Amino acid sequence: GAVVSQHPSRVICKSGTSVKIECRSLDFQATTMFWYRQFPKQSLMLMATSNEGSKATYEQGVEKDKFLINHASLTLSTLTVTSAHPEDSSFYICSAHAGGKFISGANVLTFGAGSRLTVL
Amino acid sequence: GQQVMQIPQYQHVQEGEDFTTYCNSSTTLSNIQWYKQRPGGHPVFLIQLVKSGEVKKQKRLTFQFGEAKKNSSLHITATQTTDVGTYFCAGRTNSGGSNYKLTFGKGTLLTVNP
Repeated sequence: GAVVSQHPSRVICKSGTSVKIECRSLDFQATTMFWYRQFPKQSLMLMATSNEGSKATYEQGVEKDKFLINHASLTLSTLTVTSAHPEDSSFYICSAHAGGKFISGANVLTFGAGSRLTVL
Repeated sequence: GQQVMQIPQYQHVQEGEDFTTYCNSSTTLSNIQWYKQRPGGHPVFLIQLVKSGEVKKQKRLTFQFGEAKKNSSLHITATQTTDVGTYFCAGRTNSGGSNYKLTFGKGTLLTVNP
């Protein structure tokens, strides 16, 4: 079936540094990918929609200069948390639509395994 | 904007008991999806409902989509410890924004006492 690979799974960094998270669709092309943030025992909050070859669309309240998204190819989207601070510590998950080839329903999401960011 | 309310937030049951989680949307949905997230894991797609009044079953899981396409439910019969996790509904509308934008409910965390 459809697989979305997300790396790294865990990252610990010092405050003020930047962290890059990669999201790859392994066996399908994804012109659109989605980045979510999830706090412990809470729901998935959509941060932005990543569009291949164009600028990402950010949700209200999400700082685009803080969370840089690049979708340079049909199989790769990256999220960079710039100048990370402890309040940015969270679980970040990407997802994509694999389409009818794998799952009935073109708008069903396949999620990556997530990246747990801890900022000290 | 669109809101999807999900209740209850938590549910603890004895193994063998039934479990139900409910979702209600502030707007009419084109479809609704259900995902399961095991503790420490990522959401995994369970099912999608598209038609008004649709009912689908997966073994002990029964999914319903309301006649007005604004509410949905997931019912698990005779829960097992393997059912533990958070169940999310996610609704999609046709109006505005990205064609594939989903709005997730807050989820229901199910714990099962063996």
